[in-house]
Amino acid sequence: QSALTQPRSVSGSPGQSVTISCTGTSSDVGGYSYVSWYQQHPGKAPKLMIYDVTKRPSGVPDRFSGSKSGNTASLTISGLQAEDEADYYCCSYAGSNTLVFGGGTKLTVL
Amino acid sequence: EVQLVESGGGLVQPGGSLRLSCAASGFTFSTYAMSWVRQAPGKGLEWVSAISGSGGSTYYADSVKGRFTISRDNSKNTLNLQMNSLRVEDTAVYYCAKETRGAPRGGFDYWGQGTLVTVSS
Repeated sequence: QSALTQPRSVSGSPGQSVTISCTGTSSDVGGYSYVSWYQQHPGKAPKLMIYDVTKRPSGVPDRFSGSKSGNTASLTISGLQAEDEADYYCCSYAGSNTLVFGGGTKLTVL
Repeated sequence: EVQLVESGGGLVQPGGSLRLSCAASGFTFSTYAMSWVRQAPGKGLEWVSAISGSGGSTYYADSVKGRFTISRDNSKNTLNLQMNSLRVEDTAVYYCAKETRGAPRGGFDYWGQGTLVTVSS
């Protein structure tokens, strides 16, 4: 149950697109179609942005999209807005009904 | 409206025990798997434990296996986490989280506000 690997930080200007990667192994990210992404603002509970790799819950803007290639999943945020500045975490199913999170990525909107 | 409200956090000495609870409302509780996820101060999220909708199956992270016990009472719409043999490294905000399905797959669509557990002498 080793944590998934995410970049510590990414940044972008308003209106730009940014992509956050989440790298695991064939035992988690690469082995299943159960990757989710969470947005967390300081002092708040996480919010589900993407689940099952590409699905977006109702209410989440379509600026947020998810994908996966091999052992790496990605979250892309297009048309960056100031309110997107937050910490982002990926989570993957790791088999045997266990889950593993990534270390988190701090998104800064310049 | 879905609501998850945790309680039971506090200060406990190393080796001590604590029982967390999460009161759920606004959805058919027994249909969905539930998990506990924790976040140490200034650190990332860590999945701790999950339980199936029926309560018949439970799952744990290696870091808590044998020390923590997850349970649920579907008649009272309550999720619990019994934490024994607590260690300093268990200090964290503990969140209860609802899955989008009956098995733990990581799609947590609702979270509680969290309850702080501090393990210190």
